[in-house]
Amino acid sequence: DAGVIQSPRHEVTEMGQEVTLRCKPISGHDYLFWYRQTMMRGLELLIYFNNNVPIDDSGMPEDRFSAKMPNASFSTLKIQPSEPRDSAVYFCASSLGGRSYGYTFGSGTRLTVV
Amino acid sequence: KNQVEQSPQSLIILEGKNCTLQCNYTVSPFSNLRWYKQDTGRGPVSLTIMTFSENTKSNGRYTATLDADTKQSSLHITASQLSDSASYICVVSQGSGNTGKLIFGQGTTLQVKP
Repeated sequence: DAGVIQSPRHEVTEMGQEVTLRCKPISGHDYLFWYRQTMMRGLELLIYFNNNVPIDDSGMPEDRFSAKMPNASFSTLKIQPSEPRDSAVYFCASSLGGRSYGYTFGSGTRLTVV
Repeated sequence: KNQVEQSPQSLIILEGKNCTLQCNYTVSPFSNLRWYKQDTGRGPVSLTIMTFSENTKSNGRYTATLDADTKQSSLHITASQLSDSASYICVVSQGSGNTGKLIFGQGTTLQVKP
């Protein structure tokens, strides 16, 4: 298995532009998570899905952030409009069976908003 | 308040030496505790997962201990190698099953020098 695949690996964009991050979870996993990692705050859970349905989006910082999971093999995290404070590494993770069980993280997307 | 605190924040050791990283938590109800290794530019990778009833678990040169009474865990690295240079993150799972929540520590950055 290729693991959790994220794209792009790096993204540099100008403030105000729309940014879309993509994730392909491990085949057969029924949970998908989006995290943000910064030096100041560490890893923060933004949103998670179970069987393609958003379950908890309480970590999404504001309305500029949205996430979708149209099918079991694909999810997107969109920021519109982007701001410099959104600069961080965004990780996608997937798991089988629930939040308390081991998961597999992707390699992340490093987002820089200038 | 549910928290996971790690120490030290950073550590430099010489290749071949041993080291121990600490994790103290105040998470209730406790489900399990895991240690992750995160290489620069990569996603976290699970090293060990321990439940309430387990007090030690090894993964090669990595040995994790758990004292559920004092709510402390440690990760011991034996005969360190240059490839051990990474951030080590302690994560405690609150609750269980589908409603469980992961509480992340801020990580310990380990640098192994030749």
